[in-house]
Amino acid sequence: KAGVTQTPRYLIKTRGQQVTLSCSPISGHRSVSWYQQTPGQGLQFLFEYFSETQRNKGNFPGRFSGRQFSNSRSEMNVSTLELGDSALYLCASSRQGVEAGNTIYFGEGSWLTVV
Amino acid sequence: SQQGEEDPQALSIQEGENATMNCSYKTSINNLQWYRQNSGRGLVHLILIRSNEREKHSGRLRVTLDTSKKSSSLLITASRAADTASYFCATDAANQAGTALIFGKGTTLSVSS
Repeated sequence: KAGVTQTPRYLIKTRGQQVTLSCSPISGHRSVSWYQQTPGQGLQFLFEYFSETQRNKGNFPGRFSGRQFSNSRSEMNVSTLELGDSALYLCASSRQGVEAGNTIYFGEGSWLTVV
Repeated sequence: SQQGEEDPQALSIQEGENATMNCSYKTSINNLQWYRQNSGRGLVHLILIRSNEREKHSGRLRVTLDTSKKSSSLLITASRAADTASYFCATDAANQAGTALIFGKGTTLSVSS
């Protein structure tokens, strides 16, 4: 069974640009969450999507957005990139989400560097 | 803000020794999950323990949960160099919109041969 797949693995963007990251969850999983990991702030929750609807959102500015498609694949977008957005972005999937007490599986992440 | 806080922040041991990492959290939980992260990689799920469980085992891993003290521990027995990684505990925490995993800052384990 394939795990959570994230693309691209590495990317470099310039301040002011936007970026889109993609995540394919484990087959059968309907909940997809996104997390940001930085040395200073650690792992922080961005948002969760379930059945194409945003079900929960962390404390991030509106420049961070996401969506989920009918096949449960998800994308997150960061607009007007800032240097501080440089981070490892992790996608996580589960059948029903944290609320249901599911095991949450993570992908390998997308390393974003903003220059 | 972090719900879980791991202790110690860093741990160095020799191969064959046991490694114990602790996690404390602030609010009531339903579940607690432990993860491993190798440098620059994603999170690998180790164990999920529910609030009504006190102990779980998986291979060389043993996790305990004390809800009265709001703490959990991860024991890795007979450590190997391949266990070198960062270890995180994550609890389910509710905010106004829903429930998400809240992570501690992790324990960095270094196992030398």
